[in-house]
Amino acid sequence: DVKVTQSSRYLVKRTGEKVFLECVQDMDHENMFWYRQDPGLGLRLIYFSYDVKMKEKGDIPEGYSVSREKKERFSLILESASTNQTSMYLCASSFGGSSGNTIYFGEGSWLTVV
Amino acid sequence: DQQVKQNSPSLSVQEGRISILNCDYTNSMFDYFLWYKKYPAEGPTFLISISSIKDKNEDGRFTVFLNKSAKHLSLHIVPSQPGDSAVYFCAASPYNFNKFYFGSGTKLNVKP
Repeated sequence: DVKVTQSSRYLVKRTGEKVFLECVQDMDHENMFWYRQDPGLGLRLIYFSYDVKMKEKGDIPEGYSVSREKKERFSLILESASTNQTSMYLCASSFGGSSGNTIYFGEGSWLTVV
Repeated sequence: DQQVKQNSPSLSVQEGRISILNCDYTNSMFDYFLWYKKYPAEGPTFLISISSIKDKNEDGRFTVFLNKSAKHLSLHIVPSQPGDSAVYFCAASPYNFNKFYFGSGTKLNVKP
């Protein structure tokens, strides 16, 4: 089975703190993604990566950065957390190449910024 | 502008009846479509998918229908069970580009 593991399930951080969300997948997937889920807004793509050290902005990249130093690991960084970044963050991965691939999600990380 | 839309935020169905969840898309380059189920405080789990070369795909109680001319897909759950109560997301991916676009979700409540 595909396993996408997010290291922190629940975090509470203060405004202005730097926050790291870590994600590891064990299926040798080329693509990795970070989404956030907010009520009524569905899943919105923050950043994605299709290869090591490669990254592309998604729909809502402002206030976030990412790092992919190894194929299996994709980190989301909040440089200076703000209260409007309180959300559920979902990491996901998929094979690369042509379409027809399924995207697999981790359990999610609930971040509260106070 | 959202390229994948789920216009019904919620749906309530009696146990044993059919649940029909709908999804519309605007981008004609989409050629692969997926449905996910999500329980509170958990990540979405993959349910079923369909390629644009098909108009129907079945997996047990779940069937997905695709109408390309209308840019519309639907998920049918028959018979519905209380354990199906969750939020359902549809997603679409363009040909040869591994990016996934999600709808805003439909919360299904199956009443015993």
